[in-house]
Amino acid sequence: EAQVTQNPRYLITVTGKKLTVTCSQNMNHEYMSWYRQDPGLGLRQIYYSMNVEVTDKGDVPEGYKVSRKEKRNFPLILESPSPNQTSLYFCASSFTTGTGYTFGSGTRLTVV
Amino acid sequence: SQELEQSPQSLIVQEGKNLTINCTSSKTLYGLYWYKQKYGEGLIFLMMLQKGGEEKSHEKITAKLDEKKQQSSLHITASQPSHAGIYLCGADYTGNQFYFGTGTSLTVIP
Repeated sequence: EAQVTQNPRYLITVTGKKLTVTCSQNMNHEYMSWYRQDPGLGLRQIYYSMNVEVTDKGDVPEGYKVSRKEKRNFPLILESPSPNQTSLYFCASSFTTGTGYTFGSGTRLTVV
Repeated sequence: SQELEQSPQSLIVQEGKNLTINCTSSKTLYGLYWYKQKYGEGLIFLMMLQKGGEEKSHEKITAKLDEKKQQSSLHITASQPSHAGIYLCGADYTGNQFYFGTGTSLTVIP
């Protein structure tokens, strides 16, 4: 089944403890992206990647890192999480930009 | 700044009623996407519109693109509880970044 898999679905962590949210797609998509969704602010792009080893900042990249060492994986790294990074995170992929995204099921992160 | 504005922000309708959601762009639209999100879950791609005047339908959901007005509308006929959720429009302006609208929350009362 063609899908984008995110893990974990839920995560509660403490301020400053490094964490990684994994994202993997099995559709051979070139384009991958991370979004966060917050009430009243909608979906905002954190980082995106046009292809392997090519990543770029979205609208809200501060406090996040990403890597794209393989086409299928696009992990989101929070080196030192803070409470303002409590949010619902989505990974998405598409064949190229200009085609519809496939979204992961989301990761609900709480930083206390 | 918000490139895509949706209206209304929320909508409560009786089952069986028709409804329309609008998405207006502040920049020239080259393509417009509609997604549906069940609360707290991932987004599901509904349809993509690329040409002015284009109209697409998926079951009881129809979307149109008006390039001159830089606007798209999503129309649901004879709404059902299964239509409830958040509807988001999206657009790719730069070829690199994809922007989403502010979202419309739809509640359908049985």
